[in-house]
Amino acid sequence: DIQMTQSPASLSASVGDSVTITCQANQDITNFLNWYQVTPGKAPKLLVYDKSNLETGVPSRFSGSGTGTHFTLTISSLHPEDLGTYYCQQYDRLPLTFGGGTKVDLK
Amino acid sequence: QVQLHESGPGLVKPSGTLSLTCTVSGDSINSYYWSWIRLAPGKGLEWIAYISFSGTINYNPSLSNRATISRDTSKNQVSLNLTSVTAADAAIYYCARAGQIWSPFDLWGQGALVTVSS
Repeated sequence: DIQMTQSPASLSASVGDSVTITCQANQDITNFLNWYQVTPGKAPKLLVYDKSNLETGVPSRFSGSGTGTHFTLTISSLHPEDLGTYYCQQYDRLPLTFGGGTKVDLK
Repeated sequence: QVQLHESGPGLVKPSGTLSLTCTVSGDSINSYYWSWIRLAPGKGLEWIAYISFSGTINYNPSLSNRATISRDTSKNQVSLNLTSVTAADAAIYYCARAGQIWSPFDLWGQGALVTVSS
């Protein structure tokens, strides 16, 4: 299985802060990397697909980058509605696997 | 507007079988790939299985052959059975849609909470 390692596991930030989450794969997954936001009581939401493509309707403050094994999700200016847990996911090969998650809350 | 709704017993006894149903409204399950994914307390998301529009199925080997995914096209539903459950199977179970197997999960349900207890 492809192992996905996210860091940090949690972070606290203020509204307006820039936030960066990293995701590392234990083998090359080219661009087959997605990012999701999970908020309690809500349906998880796709934010970024294919490493850097913003899903329709996702605010432009979200961006994804990276290559091969190292990827990042950046929120340029944190909004209150951005709180939650963020997961990366690879779909280079089966079984599909996710990172352990990064919980973002307000400082 | 396409919506996914997971339903099923919220409480399952240890060694019992967990049975969940995902009802899709606003679109046909004869398109897309449909997956079950779970989120256990203190853990990350775990993909369980998918079933395609053509009936192709694939499972995560980590479930040790305990999972069965199926579909009822007449009811527009996708189901999951998980046998021999333990406390480790307690989780929120999500139904999710993908355009194909090598596509992101672009639509999810709100999830169904399953507790395992006697």
